[in-house]
Amino acid sequence: QSALTQPASVSGSPGQSITISCTGTSSDVGAYNSVSWYQQHPGKPPKLMIFDVTNRPSGVSNRFSGSKSGNTASLTISGLQAEDEADYFCSSYTSISTPLYVFGTGTKVTVL
Amino acid sequence: QVQLQESGPGLVKPSETLSLTCAVSGGSIRINWWSWVRQPPGKGLEWIGEIYHSGSTNYNPSLKSRVTILLDNSKNQFSLKLTSVTAADTAVYYCARHMTGANTFDYWGQGTLVTVSS
Repeated sequence: QSALTQPASVSGSPGQSITISCTGTSSDVGAYNSVSWYQQHPGKPPKLMIFDVTNRPSGVSNRFSGSKSGNTASLTISGLQAEDEADYFCSSYTSISTPLYVFGTGTKVTVL
Repeated sequence: QVQLQESGPGLVKPSETLSLTCAVSGGSIRINWWSWVRQPPGKGLEWIGEIYHSGSTNYNPSLKSRVTILLDNSKNQFSLKLTSVTAADTAVYYCARHMTGANTFDYWGQGTLVTVSS
């Protein structure tokens, strides 16, 4: 089972919107509405930002939103802020014959 | 507030067994699934396996022959054993809780770096 594919880096200026893609297959992203997004600052554990494609946990800013089309999921950060600079990983549930959870390759978000 | 804390040796010799424990506080381990996830330095995340309070487990097939995850209800903790380690097993190891009703991880430990070296 290969990792989900994400762009290595995405950048934007404060206040702008950026979108990170996460491409999988019909066995993971395309098969289940169980895509999550995690934010990770250096030396810190991942923080859940989006689950089940579009849902935000309590306490996560509504500037973060998720979507999915076919085998590709996306995370959009609107009103980009300096504190959003971090690594972002997507994750998907997958079938029982492979790792149950597969992660993305990770995207470094830089706030210019 | 649920908190998870990993503990164990930070250095393991090649061919030996890596052993880590995750202590859970602020919530019962008798609810939810619990997982181990690792992250090699500067790289992405890899799911290792999960356990339920009943003792049911699922493992990443790429590690299944070397991994054992156990749960101790009396101590509210669960553990990871990875045998025959090599340098490729050097990583930050995280324990995490599965969110109730969703296939995602809502609480994570701070992580512990395990280096495999002689």
